[in-house]
Amino acid sequence: GENVEQHPSTLSVQEGDSAVIKCTYSDSASNYFPWYKQELGKRPQLIIDIRSNVGEKKDQRIAVTLNKTAKHFSLHITETQPEDSAVYFCAASIMYDMRFGAGTRLTVKP
Amino acid sequence: ETGVTQTPRHLVMGMTNKKSLKCEQHLGHNAMYWYKQSAKKPLELMFVYSLEERVENNSVPSRFSPECPNSSHLFLHLHTLQPEDSALYLCASSQDRGTDTQYFGPGTRLTVL
Repeated sequence: GENVEQHPSTLSVQEGDSAVIKCTYSDSASNYFPWYKQELGKRPQLIIDIRSNVGEKKDQRIAVTLNKTAKHFSLHITETQPEDSAVYFCAASIMYDMRFGAGTRLTVKP
Repeated sequence: ETGVTQTPRHLVMGMTNKKSLKCEQHLGHNAMYWYKQSAKKPLELMFVYSLEERVENNSVPSRFSPECPNSSHLFLHLHTLQPEDSALYLCASSQDRGTDTQYFGPGTRLTVL
């Protein structure tokens, strides 16, 4: 089955800096890659996603890149703000089988 | 945030108890999921239902029993659980069982004594 590795497990940045979280997946058939943000005590919420026929997608300060050959994808957050502090999960999906990374705890220091 | 709701939000039970978790989605979706979220571990997919039919059981112990009476409701029946089953149980739904965006409920924080 699919295996998703996520790095780093914790990330601390200064407000205004950029943050990058990287994930690798094992099954080349995976074709959908969402990113979820989970604030403390709240549900995971989709922040951006990308499908395998696209290499990059951007939504304001958030961007995701996908390298199908290398089987890795990354989340980029620019101009970080304290409210970006949360746990971020990547996932890779084949059909209904979605496998998640272990999560990255991002702390943005004011 | 009322698209996917879960009750109860918190549950404490003994190892010999029987309880049920409930999930309801108001999004008109056809697929529903149960996930287990433990500390420092990835979200684990437990069960998938598509159009009320179970399509996946990721080797979950039989002490967890799902039920999907219709496309809007999903239950997780619990009996004779172990302390290591303590976790946050999340329900999610998506339009179809393919690679569609999954929307999560707020979760039930389960503690097994």
